[in-house]
Amino acid sequence: DAKTTQPPSMDCAEGRAANLPCNHSTISGNEYVYWYRQIHSQGPQYIIHGLKNNETNEMASLIITEDRKSSTLILPHATLRDTAVYYCIVRVAGNTNAGKSTFGDGTTLTVKP
Amino acid sequence: DAGVTQSPTHLIKTRGQQVTLRCSPKSGHDTVSWYQQALGQGPQFIFQYYEEEERQRGNFPDRFSGHQFPNYSSELNVNALLLGDSALYLCASSRLAYNEQFFGPGTRLTVL
Repeated sequence: DAKTTQPPSMDCAEGRAANLPCNHSTISGNEYVYWYRQIHSQGPQYIIHGLKNNETNEMASLIITEDRKSSTLILPHATLRDTAVYYCIVRVAGNTNAGKSTFGDGTTLTVKP
Repeated sequence: DAGVTQSPTHLIKTRGQQVTLRCSPKSGHDTVSWYQQALGQGPQFIFQYYEEEERQRGNFPDRFSGHQFPNYSSELNVNALLLGDSALYLCASSRLAYNEQFFGPGTRLTVL
């Protein structure tokens, strides 16, 4: 699985958009970009994933560059409850080799009042 | 719709003992993966089970073994516990065709 690089920490003001970057320059054509977050001592929570098109759901938006070497997770209106560690992962999907996720150290997002 | 459940929540063992952790996947999911998360680090992949077979394995010794039952639930067994095995153990389930993994709350294992 491709390796990802994320900044170790970021701050964001409450109510503002949080933009979390991720580099995955060695991503393969059959690998998806997944984002999870983990609030202290809880299990990671799935946020969103995509292959090459931008994606949006009720939690966030995912912007993937045209060359797929990087992506940005956008939380449009951050709240204090969005304070968490955010993990960007790339992995194959949809076959018997899928399921293994290689987590890095993630980005600790702190939303401040 | 119940999500992924794990038991027990917390566990304290001593060095050399054996431990069994349990996981029930989200309804409709057939694949279970186990992860170990040491304090301050991201989760590390241990292994994945599908159709009652181990399909993938991370860089963990044979002391770590598992099983998947016909109802898709799974167990993680760790033998000859070491102090370094102290961690949060996470179970994640998915459907192969729809690959989002959903994680359980984890089991906190402390080895004394």
